[in-house]
Amino acid sequence: GENVEQHPSTLSVQEGDSAVIKCTYSDSASNYFPWYKQELGKRPQLIIDIRSNVGEKKDQRIAVTLNKTAKHFSLHITETQPEDSAVYFCAGRGSASKIIFGSGTRLSIRP
Amino acid sequence: NAGVMQNPRHLVRRRGQEARLRCSPMKGHSHVYWYRQLPEEGLKFMVYLQKENIIDESGMPKERFSAEFPKEGPSILRIQQVVRGDSAAYFCASSPSASLDGTDTQYFGPGTRLTVL
Repeated sequence: GENVEQHPSTLSVQEGDSAVIKCTYSDSASNYFPWYKQELGKRPQLIIDIRSNVGEKKDQRIAVTLNKTAKHFSLHITETQPEDSAVYFCAGRGSASKIIFGSGTRLSIRP
Repeated sequence: NAGVMQNPRHLVRRRGQEARLRCSPMKGHSHVYWYRQLPEEGLKFMVYLQKENIIDESGMPKERFSAEFPKEGPSILRIQQVVRGDSAAYFCASSPSASLDGTDTQYFGPGTRLTVL
């Protein structure tokens, strides 16, 4: 069945450094990959998404890359700030319309 | 334009009672999705509904759980005879449509935190 795997489960980086979160997916029909940020006790918020006809997308300090051949995609956060601390979820959506989420990465930014 | 609304935000039930969770999608959105999030875990898909239709309920337990999205009013997720293992945050999300290539963005509500005593 459909599956999305996410690594690492926890990540701690020094403020100002970059953070990278990686995901792989199993459904070759998946063609939409959103990333959500969830702060403690709050709803998941969409931060960036990428569609299968694009290899890379950037929005200020956040970028996402997609390799359809290898079926993996990554989130890159540059110049990390304290407010970037949260749990980040990757997700994949195929023809069945439901979104399959990764297990999440807890990102901590050290001052 | 109000976002996705969910109520109640917190719900406490004793074992064996019923829990009823409501979700009002964003204006103009006709597709609703329910997810469950256990403490310290990710989001698990439960059910996908359009107005008056269940499209995909593959993630919903076969017993005690049901969902509806009537022509008028919010979507309802109903849990009968709750057990402690039902304690979780339940999020709904809405999208304007489920495009043929599956790319419509889903926007999440604030969630209902269910506690079963």
